[in-house]
This record gives sequence, structure tokens and C-alpha cells, in this order.
Amino acid sequence: DGGITQSPKYLFRKEGQNVTLSCEQNLNHDAMYWYRQDPGQGLRLIYYSQIVNDFQKGDIAEGYSVSREKKESFPLTVTSAQKNPTAFYLCASSTGARPPNTEAFFGQGTRLTVV
Amino acid sequence: AQSVTQPDIHITVSEGASLELRCNYSYGATPYLFWYVQSPGQGLQLLLKYFSGDTLVQGIKGFEAEFKRSQSSFNLRKPSVHWSDAAEYFCAVDAIQGAQKLVFGQGTRLTINP
Repeated sequence: DGGITQSPKYLFRKEGQNVTLSCEQNLNHDAMYWYRQDPGQGLRLIYYSQIVNDFQKGDIAEGYSVSREKKESFPLTVTSAQKNPTAFYLCASSTGARPPNTEAFFGQGTRLTVV
Repeated sequence: AQSVTQPDIHITVSEGASLELRCNYSYGATPYLFWYVQSPGQGLQLLLKYFSGDTLVQGIKGFEAEFKRSQSSFNLRKPSVHWSDAAEYFCAVDAIQGAQKLVFGQGTRLTINP
């Protein structure tokens, strides 16, 4: 079945360590996104990529990094520079075409806890 | 820049009662509007979307939403809720120009009383 796979579902890391969250899609989508979700704040865009080997900062990119070496994959690294990394992280993808021919599909999320 | 406001953080309704979740957006032109639902610890699922045309749009699970340009609103409705509708609901807007980037509201958590 086509979809977006995020792994792992739960992740624990010590403060000061970098950690990489995986996002893979087999929908043949050009565009991929990373969102951060905190209680009461909705979803905030971290980074997005519209095409392989290209990506742009979203609203809260500080302390995060991404790569887009393959169309199917868009890993997110949470660096030690991120002041408050504990959150629920959601990956999404879309065809990248303009509406009405597109919608964003979301993965099941990764809950990162930094202790 | 566009923004989305969901005035109600938490709503409780009885099973079988009607439901309306409010969403207001701020954008200079007609945006593309979406409603997503999220079960605890899960990703988001698209309920419905509005791009143009008929201002009353039908979605999955018996939900509908009405776009009102004069009020900058896109409220979600359901005539009779089921216990399985308990979840968090997000309204989102996408600008017409530029890259496709969804801007989300803060979410409304829906609790269903038996």
C-alpha cells in the first residue's frame, strides 16, 4: 500500500545529542514537509522540499537540518542547537502541484523525548 | 501572511448531537481551505477541502464545511456525532501563490459524552 512511513514511533535521546527522524514515502510525490506539533499550538512547518536536492526553511527551522537526496526520503535531524526538542514530529508529502489536484498526506508521527 | 484561528480549544458534545467547529482565516484572496482530523498519537487525515465553486463541501465520515467569504470562515459541521468522532480537528489554509505550504490553526479537541 502507498503511504508515508515515519520511524521510529517513539524516540528517546539525551540532551545534547543529535537525532535523526526518518520519513519515507512511496507515493511518488515531489514535495515533502516536516511539521512540529506541540499541545495547543497546532502544527508548525520546520522544512519543506519541492524537489530532490532542494529544500527551504519553514517557520521554525532553527536547530533542525534536512536532506533530500532521494525522492522517497526526507530525513530530519534535530541538533543539539534546538532548545526545546521534545515534541511530536509529523512528515507529510504531496504531489507539489497546485490545488485542486493535490492534498497533503501525513505519516503517523514520531514522538521525540529528550531527557 | 495568511493565518488561521480556531477559537475553540476544546468542545464537548453529546453523542447524537450536532456539531460545529469554527475556523477563521486571514488572507488577502480566496485561499485553499482544509479540515484535517487527528486521533491521539496518530497522523492527520484529510476530511474535506475547498478550492472554488460550491461553498458547501462534503467530506468523509459525514462531515461538511461551508466557506463564507464575507466572514472569512470555513466552519466544519456534522448533523449527528458518534463516539468515534472524538479527536482533534485542524483547519488549514494554503496560499494560492508560491509553494504549497499549509498553515494550521491551533486545533480543536472534541470530546463526546455518551
